[in-house]
Amino acid sequence: ETGVTQSPTHLIKTRGQQVTLRCSSQSGHNTVSWYQQALGQGPQFIFQYYREEENGRGNFPPRFSGLQFPNYSSELNVNALELDDSALYLCASSTLGGAETQYFGPGTRLLVL
Amino acid sequence: GDSVTQMEGPVTLSEEAFLTINCTYTATGYPSLFWYVQYPGEGLQLLLKATKADDKGSNKGFEATYRKETTSFHLEKGSVQVSDSAVYFCALGSSNSGGSNYKLTFGKGTLLTVNP
Repeated sequence: ETGVTQSPTHLIKTRGQQVTLRCSSQSGHNTVSWYQQALGQGPQFIFQYYREEENGRGNFPPRFSGLQFPNYSSELNVNALELDDSALYLCASSTLGGAETQYFGPGTRLLVL
Repeated sequence: GDSVTQMEGPVTLSEEAFLTINCTYTATGYPSLFWYVQYPGEGLQLLLKATKADDKGSNKGFEATYRKETTSFHLEKGSVQVSDSAVYFCALGSSNSGGSNYKLTFGKGTLLTVNP
């Protein structure tokens, strides 16, 4: 069984640019949740996708957006990058809209200069 | 809103010492509770969970009991090993009012270092 994978592993961008992060969910899972983990902090919920629809959102501005594809993989897009967007971005896959255990990928570390 | 407060670190122990990491929560309703572990440079791994009051989650010698009366979910291990060195996160899982979305709310994490 393949676990949750994310790409790229590391990324460096400059302020104002746009970035796309990718996540492949675990086999059999139809829900992907995205979290932002700033250095030294716990992860914070960005949003969740369930069966290709956004299914809940945390306290993040609209420049954070996403997609889920028919194979349940997902993208996180961030426009107009700010320095404070520098963080580890984690995706987690699960079933039943996230109510079952969420399994995390290794994360993408984004540095905004 | 929902929140999790866990013991500030770092915690440094000698091998075979007893470990306790305190975690308390604030939530409406009856959340599920989780402990996740993060090794250096990696994502989060589920360590254990409990879905209702008085449940005990356990895995790899770690245990935590869901205490509704004290809103706590403290992590314990009787004898830690060097390989247990990592950051430990307490989290609660909750649904929105419509029940269609389930998200995790995390504490800030506790860094554990175990010395030989």
